[in-house]
Amino acid sequence: EVQLQESGPGLVKPSQSLSLTCSVTGYSITSNYWGWIRKFPGNKMEWMGYISYSGSTSYNPSLKSRISITRDTSKNQFFLQLNSVTTEDTATYYCARWAARSLFDYWGQGVMVTVSS
Amino acid sequence: DIQMTQSPSFLSASVGERVTLSCKASQNINKYLDWYQQKLGEAPKLLIYNTNNLHTGIPSRFSGSGSGTDYTLTISSLQPEDVATYFCLQRNSWLTFGSGTKLEIK
Repeated sequence: EVQLQESGPGLVKPSQSLSLTCSVTGYSITSNYWGWIRKFPGNKMEWMGYISYSGSTSYNPSLKSRISITRDTSKNQFFLQLNSVTTEDTATYYCARWAARSLFDYWGQGVMVTVSS
Repeated sequence: DIQMTQSPSFLSASVGERVTLSCKASQNINKYLDWYQQKLGEAPKLLIYNTNNLHTGIPSRFSGSGSGTDYTLTISSLQPEDVATYFCLQRNSWLTFGSGTKLEIK
């Protein structure tokens, strides 16, 4: 069974970088597509970007200058880095498999990140 | 950017009742519309993809319809385990989520 698990600090200071890890079991990240989605307080959700089976990436234009998604295939993990965070980046962050660039069919449980001094 | 407007934002209905949730796009999204269910404390779950295709393992009481800019998710007979927030996602141009409908049992 495909399983995803997010991990990372729950508190980040403004202007610093947010770094999260998604650990995948039951499926290789060298197949398919893998994305990051976040859910803000109040329930608005935003697709942030993805990394493909080949390592290519695509980002939400609204984040393009601040976001980076990378991977470590030896550990079957992919990573999110979001730079220069503000309080508006406070959200629950999810990683998910984006099957055939169509369907988010497997999700992690999410990790809540608060940006606060 | 394509904006997705879901309505209602909150819905209370009785067990056994037929429930309809709506999602309206700011432009034609060519049926590239998916529905997800998220229960409290759980990961989102894919229910329906491409407007009307039921994802594997999803009960048949869930169905979807629509075209152009207007789409609906219908639960034919509401069950207690359907209490959740439901949100839509358009994939026609980049990806945009709706704001969600919180469904409760009356």
